[in-house]
Order: sequence, then structure tokens, then C-alpha cells
Amino acid sequence: EVQLLESGGGLVQPGGSLRLSCAASGFTFSSYGMSWVRQAPGKGLEWVSVISGSGTTTYYADSLKGRFTISRDNSKNTLYLQMNSLRGEDTAIYYCAKAIKYCGGECSTYFDYWGQGALVTVSS
Amino acid sequence: EIVLTQSPGTLSLSPGERATLSCRASQTIAGNSLAWYQQKPGQPPRLLIYGASSGATGIPARFSGGGSGTDFTLIISSLEPEDFAVYYCQHYVSSPLAFGGGTKVEIK
Repeated sequence: EVQLLESGGGLVQPGGSLRLSCAASGFTFSSYGMSWVRQAPGKGLEWVSVISGSGTTTYYADSLKGRFTISRDNSKNTLYLQMNSLRGEDTAIYYCAKAIKYCGGECSTYFDYWGQGALVTVSS
Repeated sequence: EIVLTQSPGTLSLSPGERATLSCRASQTIAGNSLAWYQQKPGQPPRLLIYGASSGATGIPARFSGGGSGTDFTLIISSLEPEDFAVYYCQHYVSSPLAFGGGTKVEIK
């Protein structure tokens, strides 16, 4: 059974940093791309970033302007999202999601499994 | 960058009725690279449809997707009580990936 478990969420002050983790199990982690998708309170889904199975290819939403970094450790079956210079508008539930393919060059994918999400609140 | 616009924002229907949801893209979706998800309160999204019209594993047959080019639809042929939720479309033509704003299907 595929399981994705996010952790690392919490309350952070504006300008601060936070790192989210997503522990994966039930599938061969290194064989699939992974992504982060967020959802502000009462709002829709917003794609954040995607990473290839090897971790060598990454893509980001333009709006993030280099503040976020996606990475993965295939030896630990874990996906990460490093978030810096956080703002109030980054307040959201952050979901990790499994891509349906490895993602070599272009990582154009949809998502077949999602975690329960981690809440990030940016406030003073 | 492809922008997806979903309509209507809210659909008020009764159980047993047919629901038709729309997703319009700002440019052609190559290869019908469009997926639909269902999200209930407090839960993550669930994949319903991929490739515009292929049902994901375990999805009931009352859910169907169609369309091509820039216009896509999700149809729920006869609403069950558990189908009242928010539905999102997502394109996967190329990065940046994007979701539509969602359609809420509520009980009338």
C-alpha cells in the first residue's frame, strides 16, 4: 500500500525558514517523480514543485521566485521542501504527491497518490 | 504557461441528477494531458480521470471525462451522496503544471 506522510509543518514568522519532509513507502521511491502541491485555507490547489526520480531535474512554480527548493533522498525514501523567506501568503496545507512516472527530462505528470498534508502557518 | 478556468464555481444539484463540470484551457492541451481530481473536506485530492477520459483505478463508472483541445468536461451521470465535493482539473502538458480553480458540487 502506498503511503505518503508529511512532517515538519508548523508556525513560523515572516521571513523565516522551514523544511518539510515526506516519508514514502509501499512503492519503489526512486522510480517515480514526486511533487509538492499546496492549498491555502479555503482556496484551491496550487502546484509548487516537481522532482524527477533521480533528483537531478526539478521544476518550480514561477511565483516562488527561488525561495523554495525541492530535493529527495532515495536512500531514505524521503522527499523534502526547503522553504525560505516565508510570507503570509505561503500559509497553506502542503501535500506531497506521487507522480505516475519516473520523470526524466520534462516532468509532465499527474498524481496518483497524495499524503494527508502538513499545515504551514506564517504569522508573527 | 497554460491557465485552466473551471465553471461553474458552484453547482447545486440533488442526488440522482447529472453533473456536468467544465474546464477550459488558455491554449491547446496537447495529447489530452488533463486530469480530474475530487477533494472532500479535510482530505487530500483523489485522482478520478487522466488522459482526459481514462478512469483511474477504482473510480466508479458514473464518472466520465471528455473533450479535447481547450475544452474538457467531467460528467457524473447520477450523483451519489458521497459525490458532493470539490472537483479540480489539472494539465500536465509541460511545466509549470497547473490546476483549475475548482468546482464545488453541493446538495441542492
